[in-house]
Amino acid sequence: SQQGEEDPQALSIQEGENATMNCSYKTSINNLQWYRQNSGRGLVHLILIRSNEREKHSGRLRVTLDTSKKSSSLLITASRAADTASYFCATDRVFGNEKLTFGTGTRLTIIP
Amino acid sequence: DGGITQSPKYLFRKEGQNVTLSCEQNLNHDAMYWYRQDPGQGLRLIYYSQIVNDFQKGDIAEGYSVSREKKESFPLTVTSAQKNPTAFYLCASRRTGQGSMNTEAFFGQGTRLTVV
Repeated sequence: SQQGEEDPQALSIQEGENATMNCSYKTSINNLQWYRQNSGRGLVHLILIRSNEREKHSGRLRVTLDTSKKSSSLLITASRAADTASYFCATDRVFGNEKLTFGTGTRLTIIP
Repeated sequence: DGGITQSPKYLFRKEGQNVTLSCEQNLNHDAMYWYRQDPGQGLRLIYYSQIVNDFQKGDIAEGYSVSREKKESFPLTVTSAQKNPTAFYLCASRRTGQGSMNTEAFFGQGTRLTVV
């Protein structure tokens, strides 16, 4: 079963605008991670946020985590054409025995 | 270079045949994972292994088998019992440490399996 559900499923924005995508999950977690996938390739890790953290930044990325709502958001600021990709959240559940479960993904298209 | 390698990149299988997908890592990671991705879909967990000689079923293990005889290697066999095996298969590994200390996963470039 999918632990995470991303929203929206697809997002198209103009280059330079900010992109926000959301992830909801079902069970208590130790941490939540965001990954990026270019078409037909493997996933690349972007950022990890632990359950006791509320916000984290990495370059143009900003991630928030609300454990009371079981949700996270990924904000990409000043988007570039190269940001076009699919983005996935993944969760490490409490008592999950290192099981890493991914969401359904958001397909982001940046229009030059 | 350190990394995780999947082979082959493309694989064609006749119906009724078993095929084995290779996954090798030299990152000294304990945990390894196999995921299946269908077009336009997310990743679904097939099997994972926390340590050598041990592995657990994921969410869609039926029709698949794995082994973990060496820390570096986690091959996946797609058996004839898997009714719809055409998909993109991704292998990953990561360092783990008692739940809250788990780290990010590193992925291979994937194997695209097609049944002909």
